[in-house]
Amino acid sequence: DAGVIQSPRHEVTEMGQEVTLRCKPISGHDYLFWYRQTMMRGLELLIYFNNNVPIDDSGMPEDRFSAKMPNASFSTLKIQPSEPRDSAVYFCASSFDNLGTDTQYFGPGTRLTVL
Amino acid sequence: ILNVEQSPQSLHVQEGDSTNFTCSFPSSNFYALHWYRWETAKSPEALFVMTLNGDEKKKGRISATLNTKEGYSYLYIKGSQPEDSATYLCALPGSARQLTFGSGTQLTVLP
Repeated sequence: DAGVIQSPRHEVTEMGQEVTLRCKPISGHDYLFWYRQTMMRGLELLIYFNNNVPIDDSGMPEDRFSAKMPNASFSTLKIQPSEPRDSAVYFCASSFDNLGTDTQYFGPGTRLTVL
Repeated sequence: ILNVEQSPQSLHVQEGDSTNFTCSFPSSNFYALHWYRWETAKSPEALFVMTLNGDEKKKGRISATLNTKEGYSYLYIKGSQPEDSATYLCALPGSARQLTFGSGTQLTVLP
């Protein structure tokens, strides 16, 4: 398996623009997680899905952020409108289960810069 | 919110030195602890999952111990090499099993 795939790897956009980040989890993994990495807050969970259904979105910072998982092999994280404070590295991860002992496999991340 | 603390925040060692750093967590309701290694410009990579008090895990020159009663885990690197330079993260599942990550220890091994 190619591992978790994310695109784009880098995104530079201007304030107010819509940004869409994409993720393909490892085949057979039922859980998909979106994280954001910043200097101030470290690695924080934004939202996660189980079998394509959002389970907990309490980490989503505000209504400008939305995430979808239309099928088992694809998820998107959308920011509309984007703001400079959204600049961060966004990681997608997937796992077979979520019992607390399951390893999460991370994608390479998308580095977002909002000017 | 689970409080996961790592120390030190950063560490510089000479090649060949052995080193260790700490992950501290609430000792009540412990379930599991994960260690991840995160190289710059790459994705976090799982090292160990630990569940039992007194557990010891080893992978090459890297090993980890766990004390759930006092709420800490140590990660040891024996004979550090420049390729060990990375940020080492620990993470614990909360009540709903989502992982809460510490802020990491950034290790730099100087040749």
